[in-house]
Parts: sequence; C-alpha cells; structure tokens
Amino acid sequence: EVQLVETGGGLVQPGRSLKLSCVASGFTFNNYWMSWTRQAPGKGLEWVASITNSGGSTYYPDSVKGRFTISRDNAQNTLYLQMNSLRSEDTATYYCTRAQLNWGQGVMVTVSS
Amino acid sequence: DIQMTQSPSSMSASLGDRVTITCQASQDIGNNLIWFQQKPGKSPRPMIYYATNLANGVPSRFSGSRSGSDYSLTISSLESEDMADYHCLQYKQYPLTFGSGTKLEIK
Repeated sequence: EVQLVETGGGLVQPGRSLKLSCVASGFTFNNYWMSWTRQAPGKGLEWVASITNSGGSTYYPDSVKGRFTISRDNAQNTLYLQMNSLRSEDTATYYCTRAQLNWGQGVMVTVSS
Repeated sequence: DIQMTQSPSSMSASLGDRVTITCQASQDIGNNLIWFQQKPGKSPRPMIYYATNLANGVPSRFSGSRSGSDYSLTISSLESEDMADYHCLQYKQYPLTFGSGTKLEIK
C-alpha cells in the first residue's frame, strides 16, 4: 500500500523559513516523479512543485519560484520542500503526491506574525 | 499557462439524479486530466485519470468523458456519499493547473 506521510508544518512568521518532509513507503520511490500541492483554507488546489525521479529536474509555478525548493533523498525515501521568504498567502495545507495519483494526509503551514 | 475553467462552482441535486461537472481547457491537453473528489478535512481522492479511466476502487456510477476541449465527470445516479468537492487537474504541461472546484450538495 502506498503511504505518504508529511511532517514539518506549523506556525511561522512572515519572511522566515520552513522545511517540509514526506516519507514514502509501499512503492519503489526512485521510480516516480513526486510533487507538492497546497490548498489554502476554504480555497482550491494549487500545484507547488515537482521533481523527477532522479532529482535532476525540478518545476515550480511563478508564485513560489525562487522561494521554494523541492528535493529528494532516494536512499531515505523522502521528499522535501524548503520554503523561504514565507508570506501570509503561503498559508495552506501542503500535500505530498506521487504523480498526482497518491496523496498524503497533508500538513498545515500557517504564516502569521 | 493552461487555464481550466470548471463549472458549475456549486450545485445541488437529488439522490438518484444524473450529475455532470465540466472543465474546459484553454489549450490542448490531450486526455491528460484527472478528476478528484475531496470531502471535508480529507485529502483529494483521484476518481478518474487520463480523462476517462476509473481509478481503483471508484464506483462504476462515476465516469469521465471528453468532447473537444471540454472534459466531464458524470455521476450516473447520485448517492449521499457523493456529497463532496470535485476538482479537475491538467497534467499535460507545467505549470500543472487545477479547475476552481465544484461543491456538490444533496437536496
């Protein structure tokens, strides 16, 4: 069974940084592209970042480009999202996904002073 | 960027009704579209992938179709457990883009 477990969320002040982790199990991690998607409270879904199975290429929307970095450790079956220069509009539940077809339970990030 | 225009934004239907939700793509996405169901406090659940393929464990009353740039999710006979938000996602090209969502309520 595919499992994705996100950790690392919490309350952070604007301008500060936070790093999310997602531990994967139940499949061969290094065979799959992985992504992060977020959902602000009461809002729709927004794709945040994707990474190829080797980690050699990454993709971001303009809304987070230059502030967020997706990475992975295939030896540890772990996906990361480093979030810098956080803004109030980054407040959301962040989901780790395997090719958009398997989703974790999500982790809440609140950016507020 | 590819825009996904989803309609309606909300709807109310009776048990047993046939329900259709639509996403219109601003550019060709082939069939690279997923439909998700999301219940309050839960993660999105893929229902249909590659526009017309039923995901594992999804009841057969759900189906996906395409007509040109319009992609539809249909529930053939609405059940109470189908009350949820529904989202479409195009994965033809980056940036990946979602529709704005449809809130489905039971009358």
